[in-house]
Amino acid sequence: DAGVIQSPRHEVTEMGQEVTLRCKPISGHDYLFWYRQTMMRGLELLIYFNNNVPIDDSGMPEDRFSAKMPNASFSTLKIQPSEPRDSAVYFCASSLGVGRQDTQYFGPGTRLTVL
Amino acid sequence: GENVEQHPSTLSVQEGDSAVIKCTYSDSASNYFPWYKQELGKRPQLIIDIRSNVGEKKDQRIAVTLNKTAKHFSLHITETQPEDSAVYFCAAPGGTSYGKLTFGQGTILTVHP
Repeated sequence: DAGVIQSPRHEVTEMGQEVTLRCKPISGHDYLFWYRQTMMRGLELLIYFNNNVPIDDSGMPEDRFSAKMPNASFSTLKIQPSEPRDSAVYFCASSLGVGRQDTQYFGPGTRLTVL
Repeated sequence: GENVEQHPSTLSVQEGDSAVIKCTYSDSASNYFPWYKQELGKRPQLIIDIRSNVGEKKDQRIAVTLNKTAKHFSLHITETQPEDSAVYFCAAPGGTSYGKLTFGQGTILTVHP
């Protein structure tokens, strides 16, 4: 298995531009998570999906952020318009979700820099 | 929701010494406690986890202990090596959040040769 795949690995953009981050979870995993990691705030859960349905988006910072999961093998996190404070590493993770306890497998992350 | 506190935020040890990182959680219904290791520039990766039906679990040089009464769990690394240097995160699921984990703030462990 290739593991969780994220693209792009690095993104540099200018303030005000739209940014789209992509994630392909491990095949067969029912849960998909989007995290943001910064030095100041640590690892923050933004939103997570179960069977393609958003379950909890309380971590999404504001309306500029949106996430979709159109099918079991693909999810996007979009920031529009982007701001310098959005600069961070964004991780996607997936898990089998058997019961309520299961290992989350992280993707390599997307390092976003907003100038 | 679940609240996870992790201490210390930084830990510096000499190679060969032991390292202990502690976490407390708030939701007594939490029953799964993983530990993740994140090397510089890499993704977090699970190194060990414990379920609430046991009090201790070991895997070579690492071990995790759980005290459900006190609602805390700890990571123990023995005979530390420079390659153990990384950020370590604990996590807990909470009682009502299916599939979700709340992570601690992380501990930066530095092992000096």
